[in-house]
Amino acid sequence: AQKVTQAQTEISVVEKEDVTLDCVYETRDTTYYLFWYKQPPSGELVFLIRRNSFDEQNEISGRYSWNFQKSTSSFNFTITASQVVDSAVYFCALSGTTNAGGTSYGKLTFGQGTILTVHP
Amino acid sequence: EAGVAQSPRYKIIEKRQSVAFWCNPISGHATLYWYQQILGQGPKLLIQFQNNGVVDDSQLPKDRFSAERLKGVDSTLKIQPAKLEDSAVYLCASSHDKDRGKTQYFGPGTRLLVL
Repeated sequence: AQKVTQAQTEISVVEKEDVTLDCVYETRDTTYYLFWYKQPPSGELVFLIRRNSFDEQNEISGRYSWNFQKSTSSFNFTITASQVVDSAVYFCALSGTTNAGGTSYGKLTFGQGTILTVHP
Repeated sequence: EAGVAQSPRYKIIEKRQSVAFWCNPISGHATLYWYQQILGQGPKLLIQFQNNGVVDDSQLPKDRFSAERLKGVDSTLKIQPAKLEDSAVYLCASSHDKDRGKTQYFGPGTRLLVL
């Protein structure tokens, strides 16, 4: 079975602080995909990034960066110089590539989410 | 490119009533997903369609929930009869078949309150 754990339920920071959201996953698939989604107060899930299990290269996009480490089964997300508009719930998710063990190719398993509040 | 469309955005019903939600995926996306998101939790997959066929409905409470995608494009999710614990946001998503990673793009969701 697949599992995603986001241990931080809520994080509160002041604008311009850096913040890291943790994500740990479990899967038996050798090929899998990891995702981060943002859910602002409006409720829509916004896709941020996808990483393949065979590509551990870290990625930076503006103020966002992601650190993928297979050895520790982690896929952490860092926001540099946070802004009030970053306030949202952030979800880490995992997708396998086999149809077995109660999962299907493409099915997303989500973590519980981390509520990020950035204060002015 | 238009995103995933869902309607209605909000619905309030009494328990034991029925309700239906509609979803239109991104054009050209063959795979369509329905998720249930209870307050304070991550979304949980209810059903996954590939064109008009069901790929996974293992988490769908089939005694009260049903879904269809008759022409392989838009889809309807129905609850009959509704229970209090069905209060949640129902999210629809779609992905392209040629995308091996099957990145899912979500609609705005339907917020259901069962009284």
